[in-house]
Amino acid sequence: GNSVTQMEGPVTLSEEAFLTINCTYTATGYPSLFWYVQYPGEGLQLLLKATKADDKGSNKGFEATYRKETTSFHLEKGSVQVSDSAVYFCALSPSGAGGTSYGKLTFGQGTILTVHP
Amino acid sequence: KAGVTQTPRYLIKTRGQQVTLSCSPISGHRSVSWYQQTPGQGLQFLFEYFSETQRNKGNFPGRFSGRQFSNSRSEMNVSTLELGDSALYLCASSGAGTSGTYEQYFGPGTRLTVT
Repeated sequence: GNSVTQMEGPVTLSEEAFLTINCTYTATGYPSLFWYVQYPGEGLQLLLKATKADDKGSNKGFEATYRKETTSFHLEKGSVQVSDSAVYFCALSPSGAGGTSYGKLTFGQGTILTVHP
Repeated sequence: KAGVTQTPRYLIKTRGQQVTLSCSPISGHRSVSWYQQTPGQGLQFLFEYFSETQRNKGNFPGRFSGRQFSNSRSEMNVSTLELGDSALYLCASSGAGTSGTYEQYFGPGTRLTVT
């Protein structure tokens, strides 16, 4: 079956530090990959996505590149802010599965990020 | 465009009772998925509805059920509540049709506490 593995957290950084959150996946075919962010007391917000190999998703200074050869989708940001403190989830959605897996995202366990001033 | 809305936001129920949660998707979206989020198990897929039909189902007992109406609004029901059903229940909508990949947009969730 499909699975997503994220680096263990929590991750604690100082403001303006470089961020990397590792994400690797196991899936058949060519899944789409996503990063979602969850702020305290809220639902998940889509941060960025990539739908095919070598695609780079980017948003709000965050980036992630779909690496088929290493089955990875690591999240990076060059300079984090206190407001980036949240839980980050890597997720995949199967594609071309004949309709049987649509609507089902498989999530990693989440990585708690805390940024200090 | 209004986002995904879920009602109620918070709910406290007693073991053995049943509960119904509601989700209104983004206008024009026909797919609605439900997830359970707990500290121990993380985010787990419950089921997905598309055009009033359950298209996909996760590994949850039959106490968990759902439905979708012609206006794409969806409800999920949990019968005979157990303490372990305490969780944040998230609904997500998508504009997907019958092919291709797509993103899901989540609501704020319903926090269910079973005592």
